[in-house]
Amino acid sequence: DIQMTQSPSTLSASVGDRVTITCRASERISSWLAWYQQKPGKAPKLLIFKASNLEAGVPSRFSGSGSGTEFTLTISSLQPDDFATYYCQQYNSYPLAFGGGTKVEIQ
Amino acid sequence: QLQLQESGPGLVKPSETLSLTCTVSGDSISSSSYYWGWIRQPPGKGLEWIGNFYYRGSTYYNPSLKSRVTISVDTSNNQFSLKVRSVTAADTAVYYCGRHSKGFDSWGQGTLVTVSS
Repeated sequence: DIQMTQSPSTLSASVGDRVTITCRASERISSWLAWYQQKPGKAPKLLIFKASNLEAGVPSRFSGSGSGTEFTLTISSLQPDDFATYYCQQYNSYPLAFGGGTKVEIQ
Repeated sequence: QLQLQESGPGLVKPSETLSLTCTVSGDSISSSSYYWGWIRQPPGKGLEWIGNFYYRGSTYYNPSLKSRVTISVDTSNNQFSLKVRSVTAADTAVYYCGRHSKGFDSWGQGTLVTVSS
């Protein structure tokens, strides 16, 4: 089974900062990776699919890159609404798997 | 507009069976384009995939839960259900249903299920 590892687990940043979150897969997953944003008490929201494709309605300050085993989610200029927890998920093969999450906190 | 809504008891006793239903509106669970599934999140923890199904009969489960979990489908009511048998406190979580193709692109609001006597 494929394991997904995110780093860091917590990230402190300020409004306007460029933020990068890393997700590593234990096996090659091509580009079959999704990124989600979750706010407290809410369901996750799909941000990025197939590693680098922006879901409709998601601000362009979010971007994704990578393929194979290493992937990144970048927020180019952090906004107040972006303080949340972010998860990656592989869908190359079953069983599906999520990363452990990265909480982006206000510095 | 696609909507998913989880329903079921919020409290289940240890050793009993947790049963939830996801009602879908705005799309058909018999759609050939999508899988549908369940995800859970224990309080304060991360997301855990439980299982997915495709309307033609394929069902996939998380190996860590496979012996206790069943996903069933009611296409006539556009619903799908989750059963988790022999629950313990470790099964206490918010349970979400979702639609999956390029990731889970639509989610229900989630329902908290507490396992306690």
